[in-house]
Amino acid sequence: DGGITQSPKYLFRKEGQNVTLSCEQNLNHDAMYWYRQDPGQGLRLIYYSQIVNDFQKGDIAEGYSVSREKKESFPLTVTSAQKNPTAFYLCASSGTGGREAFFGQGTRLTVV
Amino acid sequence: AQSVTQPDIHITVSEGASLELRCNYSYGATPYLFWYVQSPGQGLQLLLKYFSGDTLVQGIKGFEAEFKRSQSSFNLRKPSVHWSDAAEYFCAVAPFDRASKIIFGSGTRLSIRP
Repeated sequence: DGGITQSPKYLFRKEGQNVTLSCEQNLNHDAMYWYRQDPGQGLRLIYYSQIVNDFQKGDIAEGYSVSREKKESFPLTVTSAQKNPTAFYLCASSGTGGREAFFGQGTRLTVV
Repeated sequence: AQSVTQPDIHITVSEGASLELRCNYSYGATPYLFWYVQSPGQGLQLLLKYFSGDTLVQGIKGFEAEFKRSQSSFNLRKPSVHWSDAAEYFCAVAPFDRASKIIFGSGTRLSIRP
């Protein structure tokens, strides 16, 4: 089935360590997004990419990095520079036609 | 600046009652419009979308939404809610310009009273 896969679903890391969240899609979508969601809050855009080898900062890019070497993949690295990394992270993709975003099931990152 | 406003942070309705969730957008031209639903700890699922044509669109799970150009609104409705409808609901807009990002509202949490 086509869709977006985020892994892992739960992730625990020690403070000061970098961690990479995986996002893979087989929908042949050009655009991919990373969002952060905190309890009781909406979605905040971290980074987005409209095409391979290109990406733009969103509203809260500090402390995060991404790459887009393949159309199918858009991994997010949470660096030690991110002051409060514990959150729920959502990846999404969208096509050129309808523009609706399709979401993965999310990764809950806990930094201790 | 482009924006999406969901004025209601939290709404509680009784099971079987009707529901309307509000969404207003600010954009120069009519964008693509969407409603999503999110259950706790899950990703977002598309309920319905509007691109053009009939201003009343039908979605999954018995939801519908009406686009009103004059009010820049895209309100979500359901005639009779079920306990399983308790979730977070997000309105979103996507400009026709492919280079522009999708913009989400801040969400409305729906609780169902037994």
